[in-house]
Amino acid sequence: AQSVAQPEDQVNVAEGNPLTVKCTYSVSGNPYLFWYVQYPNRGLQFLLKYITGDNLVKGSYGFEAEFNKSQTSFHLKKPSALVSDSALYFCAVRDGGTNAGKSTFGDGTTLTVKP
Amino acid sequence: GAVVSQHPSWVICKSGTSVKIECRSLDFQATTMFWYRQFPKQSLMLMATSNEGSKATYEQGVEKDKFLINHASLTLSTLTVTSAHPEDSSFYICSALRQGAESSPLHFGNGTRLTVT
Repeated sequence: AQSVAQPEDQVNVAEGNPLTVKCTYSVSGNPYLFWYVQYPNRGLQFLLKYITGDNLVKGSYGFEAEFNKSQTSFHLKKPSALVSDSALYFCAVRDGGTNAGKSTFGDGTTLTVKP
Repeated sequence: GAVVSQHPSWVICKSGTSVKIECRSLDFQATTMFWYRQFPKQSLMLMATSNEGSKATYEQGVEKDKFLINHASLTLSTLTVTSAHPEDSSFYICSALRQGAESSPLHFGNGTRLTVT
């Protein structure tokens, strides 16, 4: 079984400030971790992933995330938030030990960046 | 690259009619496609996993006779909502996993807003 927790429904930050969107996961095999962003009435867009290697991964639009195995976390970060970053963010996990490709998504975190 | 086209983007239908939603991978072959339902300000609810050439695997609580899924080729999966009712109104999203790239991210369509009157 696998699961993802995004403990914050909403994150509010001021433009120019750093942002963090939290994610913890549980998976029996090797974790494949992903962050996606969703704008209103659209599908999800891929931001970044961790499969193996360096724990700090960099992705699209200046976002990065740090894989922490001991804390089973994969928090999304950005040093300086933009108003245009306001959207719904989903963390997802897939068990790399299987080839089913089935991902489990967190409940999503709405990020609001205020000017 | 890795574009998924979902059509239609929105549809309004009368109660009792059926609606077909298409999901196409435009520039890659997708071994597996997934269908989700999303309620307002909520997460994605996986409905079923669709594999080319075989029957779809439905999640618990999803009626397979109501939500018919066909994965006719490596680039096309369809979801048909049969005998639609107002409670079926929702945002439906498909995603595709590139063949032979299980560590790749999912590629999502832009969703279909279904309204049943």
